[in-house]
Amino acid sequence: GQQVMQIPQYQHVQEGEDFTTYCNSSTTLSNIQWYKQRPGGHPVFLIQLVKSGEVKKQKRLTFQFGEAKKNSSLHITATQTTDVGTYFCAGDPGASKIIFGSGTRLSIRP
Amino acid sequence: SAVISQKPSRDICQRGTSLTIQCQVDSQVTMMFWYRQQPGQSLTLIATANQGSEATYESGFVIDKFPISRPNLTFSTLTVSNMSPEDSSIYLCSVLQGREQYFGPGTRLTVT
Repeated sequence: GQQVMQIPQYQHVQEGEDFTTYCNSSTTLSNIQWYKQRPGGHPVFLIQLVKSGEVKKQKRLTFQFGEAKKNSSLHITATQTTDVGTYFCAGDPGASKIIFGSGTRLSIRP
Repeated sequence: SAVISQKPSRDICQRGTSLTIQCQVDSQVTMMFWYRQQPGQSLTLIATANQGSEATYESGFVIDKFPISRPNLTFSTLTVSNMSPEDSSIYLCSVLQGREQYFGPGTRLTVT
């Protein structure tokens, strides 16, 4: 079946360091979405990428969708303690349902 | 953005019993989804519930175990039937509004 994998599973960084999580799908996606889930919270939508090779920025966050529309990345510049949480990518293979990646848990040393 | 509420927020149930989780949305939406998230894990889609049609279940989930109702465009229920400890999890409803997917706060279920 369709799978969406993320690496790394965990990342522990010093505050101020950069952070990147990578997402890979076994199939081509019509779009990819990114979510953030704070500890004890529910997933919150961050962004959606639709076009091949698309790059979008939200302040310190940079999202990229691969040329083949099978991979994506989220990069956070100069992490802050408010960035703590689990980041999920979620791919839409075109069936109007979202397949969530395995997630990357980010923790930060102040 | 859609605002979603779920009831109950948490429950502790005995094995063999059933629990019905309610999901209320503040606006009319066509597509609603039910997910399960085990502690520290990703979200697994249980089923898609569209108003006026039978829910579509994902592989590994069946209607007898997880019956779903979708009586109108703002409400849905998920029942976890004949519960076992393996059903202990967080259950989240979600809606698709435009291109964005919104999640309810979740129902934390513990089965003893």
